Amino acid sequence: NAGVTQTPKFQVLKTGQSMTLQCAQDMNHNSMYWYRQDPGMGLRLIYYSASEGTTDKGEVPNGYNVSRLNKREFSLRLESAAPSQTSVYFCASSEKGSWKAFFGQGTRLTVV
Amino acid sequence: RKEVEQDPGPFNVPEGATVAFNCTYSNSASQSFFWYRQDCRKEPKLLMSVYSSGNEDGRFTAQLNRASQYISLLIRDSKLSDSATYLCVVNLHQAGTALIFGKGTTLSVSS
Repeated sequence: NAGVTQTPKFQVLKTGQSMTLQCAQDMNHNSMYWYRQDPGMGLRLIYYSASEGTTDKGEVPNGYNVSRLNKREFSLRLESAAPSQTSVYFCASSEKGSWKAFFGQGTRLTVV
Repeated sequence: RKEVEQDPGPFNVPEGATVAFNCTYSNSASQSFFWYRQDCRKEPKLLMSVYSSGNEDGRFTAQLNRASQYISLLIRDSKLSDSATYLCVVNLHQAGTALIFGKGTTLSVSS
């Protein structure tokens, strides 16, 4: 009963390094999302994918790229990490119709 | 004006107390409404959907007032385990949008 799986759980990067956060869901959901959560800011949408093959920018897309590899997987890439990208990143997916979203356990990213 | 606004709290209540959280949203086109719960350093988890007719799940009651663009969550007989941050969430059901989260209200229940 995996639900939404994110990897890695923790990561430390140096400024300028790149990395990809992986997300996979096994609930056959069409929509998938990437959020970041910072103290005092709440959850902010980075990118969103309504279905396989489509992606849309959210509130804070700058510095990120995404790939909806297939229905199960939605990855988030930081091409050149900056300290401002230090955050907790959550991937989520939602059911068509009910719009109920289910989250992965999060990735705690620190950029030094 | 923020799209979804909540009183951040914290709300500090004793066990057994009744506590109410409020939330307002700015976009009248919002279609779906939820309360999520988030424990410290954990992912948000769906607590309940919110309907205009009101809905109840055990000690939790949620209510939506579309005319006032207002959502509420009532917790009766608070337990220590209710201590968490409660997130108000809306969805516009429009292309290019997704769930929009409030910043959350923190509840601390003490014995």
